[in-house]
Amino acid sequence: DAGVTQSPTHLIKTRGQQVTLRCSPKSGHDTVSWYQQALGQGPQFIFQYYEEEERQRGNFPDRFSGHQFPNYSSELNVNALLLGDSALYLCASSLDRGRNQPQHFGDGTRLSIL
Amino acid sequence: GENVEQHPSTLSVQEGDSAVIKCTYSDSASNYFPWYKQELGKRPQLIIDIRSNVGEKKDQRIAVTLNKTAKHFSLHITETQPEDSAVYFCASLGGYQKVTFGTGTKLQVIP
Repeated sequence: DAGVTQSPTHLIKTRGQQVTLRCSPKSGHDTVSWYQQALGQGPQFIFQYYEEEERQRGNFPDRFSGHQFPNYSSELNVNALLLGDSALYLCASSLDRGRNQPQHFGDGTRLSIL
Repeated sequence: GENVEQHPSTLSVQEGDSAVIKCTYSDSASNYFPWYKQELGKRPQLIIDIRSNVGEKKDQRIAVTLNKTAKHFSLHITETQPEDSAVYFCASLGGYQKVTFGTGTKLQVIP
């Protein structure tokens, strides 16, 4: 039973570029959430996707966008990269079976902006 | 929005002693409280969770307590072992599974 998988594991970009990160949810899960974790801090909620739509969003600018595909996998896109976007980006999946369902995290993509 | 405060930020205990981490939340609508353990360079791993209709939950050496009136919840680790050393995050879940994390506690268990 595959857990949450993310790709790539590491990525180096320069300011102003665009990046796409990918996530495959745990088998049986239909909801994907994205988080940004800066060094030494807790994960910050970016947004959540369910039924191919953004259902909830945190305090992140429009440069951060996403998509969910019919197979429940998801992408996170970040445009016009800034130095401050350097972080570990985590994907978490869960099953939308009412509220209070545990989220399972992937290993993350470490994004470095030069 | 929801705000979760977590204390202490660092905690050192001798092997075999107990460790307690405390969190407070602000949104009275929050009703699910997971705890995650994150080792260096690894993913956060769910170690225990509690729902608002329960006051306490225990799983071997780990227990969590919840006081909804005071909006407090705590993680208790007994008989600590060196492999318990990690960063621990509390979190609260509001509507649509939007999880708000605490700032983390770095636990060091000294052999």
